[in-house]
Amino acid sequence: DGGITQSPKYLFRKEGQNVTLSCEQNLNHDAMYWYRQDPGQGLRLIYYSQIVNDFQKGDIAEGYSVSREKKESFPLTVTSAQKNPTAFYLCASSGEGGLASGTQYFGPGTRLTVL
Amino acid sequence: AQSVTQLDSQVPVFEEAPVELRCNYSSSVSVYLFWYVQYPNQGLQLLLKYLSGSTLVKGINGFEAEFNKSQTSFHLRKPSVHISDTAEYFCAVSEDYEKLVFGKGTKLTVNP
Repeated sequence: DGGITQSPKYLFRKEGQNVTLSCEQNLNHDAMYWYRQDPGQGLRLIYYSQIVNDFQKGDIAEGYSVSREKKESFPLTVTSAQKNPTAFYLCASSGEGGLASGTQYFGPGTRLTVL
Repeated sequence: AQSVTQLDSQVPVFEEAPVELRCNYSSSVSVYLFWYVQYPNQGLQLLLKYLSGSTLVKGINGFEAEFNKSQTSFHLRKPSVHISDTAEYFCAVSEDYEKLVFGKGTKLTVNP
């Protein structure tokens, strides 16, 4: 089945530690996105990538980093510089033509809790 | 800058009643508009989208939305809701056709 996988589903981290969230897609999509979701805040864009080896900051990139070495993978690292990292993180992708082709497809999410 | 306002944070309704979830956006150019649904602890699923053409858009699960350019609105409607429609609904807009801007969401609760 084609889709987006995120792992792990739940992640616990001690304050001051870096942690990497995985996002893999087998939809052959060029564009991939990372969002952060907090209760009552909707989704806010962290980083996005339109093509391999290229990515752009979204609205809340501070304290996060990404890489895009392969088309199917877009890992997100939450660094110790992120002051309030506890949140639900969603990965998404879109196909040829970006949003003009239709839509973004979302993974099931990773819930990160900082202890 | 584009922004999206979902006018109701929570909407309680009874089963089989009609529902309207309101969405307004701000943009000075043509946009793409979307409605997504999220069930607890899951990702988002597309309900419907407006890219161009007819202003009345039909989506999955019996939902529809109407694009009103003069009022910059894209309200979501369903004539008769079910318990299974209980979820959070997000309106989103794209001005640059690369990334989405989301509203803060509306929690729909369908009561028996």
